[in-house]
Amino acid sequence: DAEITQSPRHKITETGRQVTLACHQTWNHNNMFWYRQDLGHGLRLIHYSYGVHDTNKGEVSDGYSVSRSNTEDLPLTLESAASSQTSVYFCASSEGQANTGELFFGEGSRLTVL
Amino acid sequence: DQQVKQNSPSLSVQEGRISILNCDYTNSMFDYFLWYKKYPAEGPTFLISISSIKDKNEDGRFTVFLNKSAKHLSLHIVPSQPGDSAVYFCAASGNFYNTDKLIFGTGTRLQVFP
Repeated sequence: DAEITQSPRHKITETGRQVTLACHQTWNHNNMFWYRQDLGHGLRLIHYSYGVHDTNKGEVSDGYSVSRSNTEDLPLTLESAASSQTSVYFCASSEGQANTGELFFGEGSRLTVL
Repeated sequence: DQQVKQNSPSLSVQEGRISILNCDYTNSMFDYFLWYKKYPAEGPTFLISISSIKDKNEDGRFTVFLNKSAKHLSLHIVPSQPGDSAVYFCAASGNFYNTDKLIFGTGTRLQVFP
């Protein structure tokens, strides 16, 4: 079955370290998204991509970067982790428009920055 | 500012009764609304959606109502079952704001007890 997987599921790091969260989907979807979930804020969009070599900033992109070198993967990098980036991160993908409900989420990566 | 608001962080309902989850939005240009359901340690999954040209959409035990004049939507679950216990997020999108991007609410945790 096609799926979307995130790794690692749990990560503890120190302030200032570089961290990369992996996202891999086997649906061959063009659209991929990264969200973070925080208490009191719901899900907020960090970055998104509509295809290979395409990346776009979401509403909370500061301190994060992504790259899209193939269809299947959209890794999220925190260049210098900060305590404010402690959160649960969700990757998602879609073929069509997200407002059709075709947005499929991974299981999440819980990141703790000490 | 929160464009999509879920003012009730939690709701507790007895099995067999109706669960009503509410969502308010501030931007009248949103024209598509969705509900996602999230179990612990899993990613959100799509539940039901409604376009602004409708005021009701039904799918089995789940019905979403939209009141455009009040900028309010609600999700009704009848009858509620213990397996419905989860966090429910409402989300909105609009053509003014790239339809591939969803604005999520903060979520409501529903607990259905026997």
